[in-house]
Amino acid sequence: EPEVTQTPSHQVTQMGQEVILRCVPISNHLYFYWYRQILGQKVEFLVSFYNNEISEKSEIFDDQFSVERPDGSNFTLKIRSTKLEDSAMYFCASSETVAGVDEQYFGPGTRLTVT
Amino acid sequence: AQTVTQSQPEMSVQEAETVTLSCTYDTSESDYYLFWYKQPPSRQMILVIRQEAYKQQNATENRFSVNFQKAAKSFSLKISDSQLGDAAMYFCAYRRQGGSEKLVFGKGTKLTVNP
Repeated sequence: EPEVTQTPSHQVTQMGQEVILRCVPISNHLYFYWYRQILGQKVEFLVSFYNNEISEKSEIFDDQFSVERPDGSNFTLKIRSTKLEDSAMYFCASSETVAGVDEQYFGPGTRLTVT
Repeated sequence: AQTVTQSQPEMSVQEAETVTLSCTYDTSESDYYLFWYKQPPSRQMILVIRQEAYKQQNATENRFSVNFQKAAKSFSLKISDSQLGDAAMYFCAYRRQGGSEKLVFGKGTKLTVNP
């Protein structure tokens, strides 16, 4: 069964550094998402992406964040200058459509640790 | 803003027994979708069951069923004949109909299944 994959599984970076988290969505899916979960807190929506542009973003997704689909398979989340509070689990998801109860398929996550 | 509350951080059940996980939500919308996702240890979240708010009939998927009480804004998950493989974090999630693709999650309930 097709799966969403994410790399790396764990990333450690120093405060102020740029990080890029990578995701390969399911191949026939058209909608892509990033969520994050700070330890002990809820999974929170960051951004959705469709047709090569952001379709929705949360208040968390400020100018430090950007997303890109650089080729036909990868979907990336870039954090320009990481802060301690960016430490979290980042989940990528994809869906075929947004119609009805269409399912979002999640990747296993990237644990980002900012020191 | 919509919120989802899971009041049970942890639950445990004996193998072959039945357990119910609670979820309440707050919304002013009349049309929306509700989901239960399961996240086994170190694995990605997978969809367990979904419910459209306009449907009065409770969704069922094999051993998993929901009790959807729209007026009470309650969406509990019942797992019958619990198996060791059911041990996981369970997340309740909400998505409004139209205009937004984001999932709003609860904090999750950790389910332990005892042999």
